[in-house]
Amino acid sequence: ELKVEQNPLFLSMQEGKNYTIYCNYSTTSDRLYWYRQDPGKSLESLFVLLSNGAVKQEGRLMASLDTKARLSTLHITAAVHDLSATYFCAVDIWGYGGSQGNLIFGKGTKLSVKP
Amino acid sequence: DVKVTQSSRYLVKRTGEKVFLECVQDMDHENMFWYRQDPGLGLRLIYFSYDVKMKEKGDIPEGYSVSREKKERFSLILESASTNQTSMYLCASSTGNQPQHFGDGTRLSIL
Repeated sequence: ELKVEQNPLFLSMQEGKNYTIYCNYSTTSDRLYWYRQDPGKSLESLFVLLSNGAVKQEGRLMASLDTKARLSTLHITAAVHDLSATYFCAVDIWGYGGSQGNLIFGKGTKLSVKP
Repeated sequence: DVKVTQSSRYLVKRTGEKVFLECVQDMDHENMFWYRQDPGLGLRLIYFSYDVKMKEKGDIPEGYSVSREKKERFSLILESASTNQTSMYLCASSTGNQPQHFGDGTRLSIL
């Protein structure tokens, strides 16, 4: 069974602190995506990771992909309140019975950054 | 920018009604998807399509059908709505290995 597991599912942080969200998956996919969802809103694409060792950074967020370990991380540096949202990772299952672009999503990590 | 437009943000229907949710994208994407999102369950794929008139079942297709008569439009149909289909429905489109782009969602309530 194809699985994508995120942890933690809930994360309460203080402003200024660092933390990492983990995304483990059970396929050998080398395509992984991170999304952000604000309450009541839709999903917004954050990062696209398309090869082993890929690293992308945007502001206080940095995502990386280790296809050998089947692990992606989303690192938060010096958190601010504006980063409060739910973050999803998603794995492309193309080649595993899925068409290109068919994603399996993790359950999401709800991040709350407090002053 | 890619624009994925869902026809309604909020919809209230009655049990047994046939319900149509419409989704239109403006970037000539070949792939289109319908998900439902429920608290604690994340996003679950209902149906997807990778070409006009093509459709594939996702993880939870029971009680739903889809139609893709034109490349830009992907419709989700609840044949006979039931209360357990109350949910947030999200449409997305993509091409190649680019990320899926999502619409704003339709919050559907079945009474």
